[in-house]
Amino acid sequence: KQEVTQIPAALSVPEGENLVLNCSFTDSAIYNLQWFRQDPGKGLTSLLLIQSSQREQTSGRLNASLDKSSGRSTLYIAASQPGDSATYLCAFNAGGTSYGKLTFGQGTILTVHP
Amino acid sequence: NAGVTQTPKFQVLKTGQSMTLQCAQDMNHEYMSWYRQDPGMGLRLIHYSVGAGITDQGEVPNGYNVSRSTTEDFPLRLLSAAPSQTSVYFCASSGGYGVSTFGSGTRLTVV
Repeated sequence: KQEVTQIPAALSVPEGENLVLNCSFTDSAIYNLQWFRQDPGKGLTSLLLIQSSQREQTSGRLNASLDKSSGRSTLYIAASQPGDSATYLCAFNAGGTSYGKLTFGQGTILTVHP
Repeated sequence: NAGVTQTPKFQVLKTGQSMTLQCAQDMNHEYMSWYRQDPGMGLRLIHYSVGAGITDQGEVPNGYNVSRSTTEDFPLRLLSAAPSQTSVYFCASSGGYGVSTFGSGTRLTVV
């Protein structure tokens, strides 16, 4: 069974810091990996998606990387802001007959204080 | 473009009652799925559909039914609600590029 682990479970940083969130998965047969943001009481907002053929994706201050061989993905947030405070989730998609069936990590709760 | 629309946003049920959570998407996505989110358990897949008329079970399907008569709609039915089904339910759809779009969720309480 695919397992997805996110470290750390929680992170509190001062505004302006660069930070890294980690996601590891046990099954190397990956189709894509997606990073989401979830604000309290809200739904999931897609941040970045990395296909298995890609090594990284960037959107603004966010950069996500994928290393299939080690079963890891990282989300890098540059110059963090209080508005970045949220729970960040990574989701594994095995593709094939499992296309669209996501396996989620438990999430990293990020707090950025002024 | 509304994306994925879930109704209702909140619901309180008594044990044993039945209800249907509605999910509709307007992106012509083939793939739709239902997840539940519980503290300490994360998001878990309940049921899944690869297209109209085709559904499959996920990780936690017991107590739930689904059907997919159209591409746009994917309702989730609770047959006989139990307190263990108290949760936040999310519907999602995925298109050809693999990006999953989620609805805003239904917060269900079973008393």
